[in-house]
Amino acid sequence: DTGVSQDPRHKITKRGQNVTFRCDPISEHNRLYWYRQTLGQGPEFLTYFQNEAQLEKSRLLSDRFSAERPKGSFSTLEIQRTEQGDSAMYLCASSLGHWGYEQYFGPGTRLTVT
Amino acid sequence: DAKTTQPPSMDCAEGRAANLPCNHSTISGNEYVYWYRQIHSQGPQYIIHGLKNNETNEMASLIITEDRKSSTLILPHATLRDTAVYYCIVDSGYALNFGKGTSLLVTP
Repeated sequence: DTGVSQDPRHKITKRGQNVTFRCDPISEHNRLYWYRQTLGQGPEFLTYFQNEAQLEKSRLLSDRFSAERPKGSFSTLEIQRTEQGDSAMYLCASSLGHWGYEQYFGPGTRLTVT
Repeated sequence: DAKTTQPPSMDCAEGRAANLPCNHSTISGNEYVYWYRQIHSQGPQYIIHGLKNNETNEMASLIITEDRKSSTLILPHATLRDTAVYYCIVDSGYALNFGKGTSLLVTP
């Protein structure tokens, strides 16, 4: 247990529905990251926050995706109008800082879009 | 555009040292080398990282060549629970680029 928690662990939804995932980072970590991992591939970066500010977004983060981190604590990742291609493991990580700091990952949320 | 090259798979006998190589010939002076591993269906687990010097912690040792163009992760006494995909990552910022990693199989 790294101290990063994610909820839910598994989500099955029908195409076109909206889903929201939550991540609770290690409490003193000011940086929070979202990654996506599809079967057989390594995790791919989606976006990251420093405190409540979203500082970078990957081109993988289409306009159907939105992430928030109110008050710099937990974060949510919402996917609107889900598509079958959104089926993946969504991973959250947190770190104390930037250069030279390791990221600690949560267990992930497995999304299946039917 | 992965900055590292790793063998796709390796085997190691239980109890022996596992030496996982990584090439990062285009590494910049301010980029760290990180190692993570991922056991099936779990989130990646941080192992170790270093900039120039060799590093050791309770999990592993990291040997970085003097020119910093390659490194080796050493698991001194591999166990069956070390079977996982191991990722070598060169990082200077926020986004870890995982690549495909090395699938390590530890056999009895």
